[in-house]
Amino acid sequence: QSALTQPPSVSGSPGQSVTISCTGTSSDVGSYNRVSWYQQPPGTAPKLMIYEVSNRPSGVPDRFSGSKSGNTASLTISGLQAEDEADYYCSSYTSSSTFEVVFGGGTKLTVL
Amino acid sequence: QVQLVESGGGVVQPGGSLRLSCAASGFTFSSYGMHWVRQAPGKGLEWVAFIRYGGSNKYYADSVKGRFTISRDISKNTLYLQMNSLRAEDTAVYYCAKALYESGSYPLDYWGQGTLVTVSS
Repeated sequence: QSALTQPPSVSGSPGQSVTISCTGTSSDVGSYNRVSWYQQPPGTAPKLMIYEVSNRPSGVPDRFSGSKSGNTASLTISGLQAEDEADYYCSSYTSSSTFEVVFGGGTKLTVL
Repeated sequence: QVQLVESGGGVVQPGGSLRLSCAASGFTFSSYGMHWVRQAPGKGLEWVAFIRYGGSNKYYADSVKGRFTISRDISKNTLYLQMNSLRAEDTAVYYCAKALYESGSYPLDYWGQGTLVTVSS
């Protein structure tokens, strides 16, 4: 059982927008602006897409955006493209132990 | 550009040992914390271990504490994961990943391509 809760799957048609939620607790998502999102197409390594809730690394399209409200963070992908089809994982720093990185269970995005 | 290349994976019997390596290039290896993260077949990501840039502070997931040891060799720009007393549930692709900020721990920005560890008799 993952520390952060994500929906198992979401889907959308090309050009549409989708939002993936990530629910944690007051020990992680709720207390720190240190939520990250990773994209993992099949058979590849994860790629950082969003960090510190809403920052995009260089090279990540601005179609990808992040936000947070309380204990829930969200990743929104607008103008869906076929290449966006992948698994997406949220992650957060946590104060629940000496040091730990927690991940969500992952959400499979299907572009219809 | 940043490159992380893992090696050392393979098939090992339960109770056995294996040492993974991660060769780093394209950044000042000694200035960044490094992580190991694993992914069991068809499953999600699980953080395994972290070593601070200086190498003196190391942290482990409860599932591997006492069995796995993370270390780094600055002279070789290489990160290691020594895995002992391996169990079937340790079967996974193991990724090394770099912390985004100098002297920092989180988030993880660049990841290697992974190396597969299979624990089976």
